[in-house]
Amino acid sequence: DIQMTQSPSSLSASVGDTVTVTCRASQGITNYLAWYQQRPGKVPKLLISGATTVLPGVPPRFTGSRSGTNFTLTISSLQPEDVATYYCQKYISAPGTFGPGTKVEI
Amino acid sequence: QVQLVQSGPEMKKPGSSVKVTCKASGDNFSRYGFNWVRQAPGQGLEWMGGIIPVLGTIDYAENFQGRVTITADESTNTVYMEFSSLGSGDTAVYYCASGVSYNYPRVDSWGQGTLVTVSS
Repeated sequence: DIQMTQSPSSLSASVGDTVTVTCRASQGITNYLAWYQQRPGKVPKLLISGATTVLPGVPPRFTGSRSGTNFTLTISSLQPEDVATYYCQKYISAPGTFGPGTKVEI
Repeated sequence: QVQLVQSGPEMKKPGSSVKVTCKASGDNFSRYGFNWVRQAPGQGLEWMGGIIPVLGTIDYAENFQGRVTITADESTNTVYMEFSSLGSGDTAVYYCASGVSYNYPRVDSWGQGTLVTVSS
């Protein structure tokens, strides 16, 4: 099975900073990569699909990119409501493996 | 999008089984695939398995193969996850999570989660 890794496991930044979270697939998954946000005590929420497509209603400060099997979630101008754990997931085929998560704090 | 409502919290003894129910509403059930994702306390998301009822496709993660059974009843728009041989390490919130079948196993909607506590 394809393994998903994320880095860093956690980070602390200030309001207004640009934050970058990286996800790596152990094999090629083309663009079949999703990003989810899970705020403390809440259900996860889909932010980005197809590696780069931001879902409607998601603030434009969230962007996704891909380089080969490396994927990046960027949060520009970090806001207090962005405190959450962010997960990537590959969905080219089952299993829909999630990355281990990146906890973003302010 | 479909809305998902799960059954209530469960308290189970080690070695027993649990069956969690997920009722879908609000859209055509046959458009969707359904995943089960668990989250142990303070831990990350773990994909357990999924089903595309209209295709009869059922997949299980290697870690759960042999212990989990996922089924669906298209007549009632309900998906089930039965998990056997429970141990204390299986204490977790179990989420039913759906997405359009052509993007399976990506998740668009999540149920509220079902807390399963395994304790003697």
